[in-house]
Amino acid sequence: AQTVTQSQPEMSVQEAETVTLSCTYDTSESDYYLFWYKQPPSRQMILVIRQEAYKQQNATENRFSVNFQKAAKSFSLKISDSQLGDAAMYFCAYRVNTDKLIFGTGTRLQVFP
Amino acid sequence: NAGVTQTPKFQVLKTGQSMTLQCAQDMNHNSMYWYRQDPGMGLRLIYYSASEGTTDKGEVPNGYNVSRLNKREFSLRLESAAPSQTSVYFCASSRTSGIPNEQFFGPGTRLTVL
Repeated sequence: AQTVTQSQPEMSVQEAETVTLSCTYDTSESDYYLFWYKQPPSRQMILVIRQEAYKQQNATENRFSVNFQKAAKSFSLKISDSQLGDAAMYFCAYRVNTDKLIFGTGTRLQVFP
Repeated sequence: NAGVTQTPKFQVLKTGQSMTLQCAQDMNHNSMYWYRQDPGMGLRLIYYSASEGTTDKGEVPNGYNVSRLNKREFSLRLESAAPSQTSVYFCASSRTSGIPNEQFFGPGTRLTVL
């Protein structure tokens, strides 16, 4: 069965610094998609970034980038120039067929001024 | 566009009561989903509907029923609520044509069962 593991329940970073959130997954599939979602205190789930497994190039969205290591089944999120508004829960998710998402347990990110 | 809307936002039930959580999307999406979020557990899929007229069980379907009323609406029913169903419930939708299919989430319903 596919699983997604986020081993860091909490992380903290100083404003303007860089932080990396870890995610590993287990799958026997060769073609799949990986996502990072942000959940601020409002509870709204917001897509941060996605990665297609067939693409070797790491995805980047402004200050957010991923380090995708397919052989190691690792998918970490790097947030550069952290801002106070980045404080939230971050969930890593893996997409199986029929669009079903499997989520990790989340990492709570605190940003200090 | 309102995106994905859910009603109610909060609900308190007594054990054994029934209720229906409503979800609607205005993005003309084919697929819709119901998740529950418990502390320390992430989101887990309860049921999903790949298209109008079809529904399938997810990871934790026991105690729930769903109805895909039409393309826009996907409801989740608790027939006899139990304290173990205290959770935050999220509805989501996505296209099925085109890849990747981002799921868009509603604001959630916080349900407490006493």
